[in-house]
Amino acid sequence: SYELTQPLSVSVALGQTARITCGGNNIRSKNVHWYQQKPGQAPVLVMYRDSNRPSGIPERFSGSNSGNTATLTISRAQGGDEADYYCQVWDTSTAVFGGGTKLTVL
Amino acid sequence: EVQVLESGGGLVQPGGSLRLSCVASGFTVRSSAMNWVRQAPGKGLEWVSSISNSDGSTYYADSVKGRFTISRDNFKNTVYLQMNSLRAEDTAVYYCTERGAGYTFDYWGQGTLVTVSS
Repeated sequence: SYELTQPLSVSVALGQTARITCGGNNIRSKNVHWYQQKPGQAPVLVMYRDSNRPSGIPERFSGSNSGNTATLTISRAQGGDEADYYCQVWDTSTAVFGGGTKLTVL
Repeated sequence: EVQVLESGGGLVQPGGSLRLSCVASGFTVRSSAMNWVRQAPGKGLEWVSSISNSDGSTYYADSVKGRFTISRDNFKNTVYLQMNSLRAEDTAVYYCTERGAGYTFDYWGQGTLVTVSS
């Protein structure tokens, strides 16, 4: 079965750039989606098909996918960006989530 | 407005059964691929099951295959998750979510907590 690997945590200084990675075998061949989850809330889609932002998601959020790594980049990080972030792909007819990354804004 | 509302969670003993419900509004479940995703306390997201909008095919994670059954009632616009032979490791918040045309989980409910414990 397909596996996605994310770092457990990422820290970023306020106003700086955070990069959250998602590793998978030849992940560039898949469409990667990203979800943000704040404590006590349901996940929210923040990036779809590698690098597309849903309406309402700030331009500070961007995404890329190359080789064996997809990356969610958050520029000018704000306190409100503190959350858990999950990458997700489809492997045949099953959805696969990464283990999640806790983003801390210092 | 698109919404999904889960219910049916609770405390159940190991080996017991529970049926979760997910009522949709703002769209029809028969035209959407509906999914269940769970999250154990303090853990990450785990996809559980889906039911296809095209032909009603069902799919399951290996961890629940043979124990859980997903179904839908088009008249009630509701999706169900029948959970049998429950184990402690099934303890989680269960989310109902609609998979959009872009194969993303676009709409999520607030979840229903299932606790399996004696």
